[in-house]
Amino acid sequence: KAGVTQTPRYLIKTRGQQVTLSCSPISGHRSVSWYQQTPGQGLQFLFEYFSETQRNKGNFPGRFSGRQFSNSRSEMNVSTLELGDSALYLCASSLARVGLNNSPLHFGNGTRLTVT
Amino acid sequence: QKEVEQNSGPLSVPEGAIASLNCTYSDRGSQSFFWYRQYSGKSPELIMSIYSNGDKEDGRFTAQLNKASQYVSLLIRDSQPSDSATYLCAVGAQKLVFGQGTRLTINP
Repeated sequence: KAGVTQTPRYLIKTRGQQVTLSCSPISGHRSVSWYQQTPGQGLQFLFEYFSETQRNKGNFPGRFSGRQFSNSRSEMNVSTLELGDSALYLCASSLARVGLNNSPLHFGNGTRLTVT
Repeated sequence: QKEVEQNSGPLSVPEGAIASLNCTYSDRGSQSFFWYRQYSGKSPELIMSIYSNGDKEDGRFTAQLNKASQYVSLLIRDSQPSDSATYLCAVGAQKLVFGQGTRLTINP
């Protein structure tokens, strides 16, 4: 069974631009979560989508948004990029909603975003 | 107080010894607990899950959960150089919250 697929693997953008990252979950998984990982802050939760609805959101500004499609694929968008948005963005899928159903996350390889 | 706390390390253990990794959490409503391993430049991979108090063993790995003390640990027996990585504790209630990770080095 194929794992979680994230595209692209690497992105270089300039301040003020916007970016869209894509995630295809493991087949049959209905929940997709997004995390930002930086050396200083570690893994920070962005949001979780389940059945095309955002179920939970972390403490990130409104510039960070996402969506989920009917086939469970998900995208996240960051608008008006700032230097501090440089990070590894990880998508993870799970069979059921995270936390409530003892459903572990399975991570993709991530998208490395560099903002210059 | 952070939601999930781990000693950042680095923790250095000789090959063949037992490595002990610890994690505390603040949300008493947490229901699911996981340990992930992350090699440098790679994404986290799930190594253990535990949902009820007590011990759970899987090969060389043992996870221990004590909900009353809000404490979860991971023991790695017969440590190998390939176990050198950052170990992330993750605790789930409404969302999965990760600790900062403990960097483990196994010395041959």
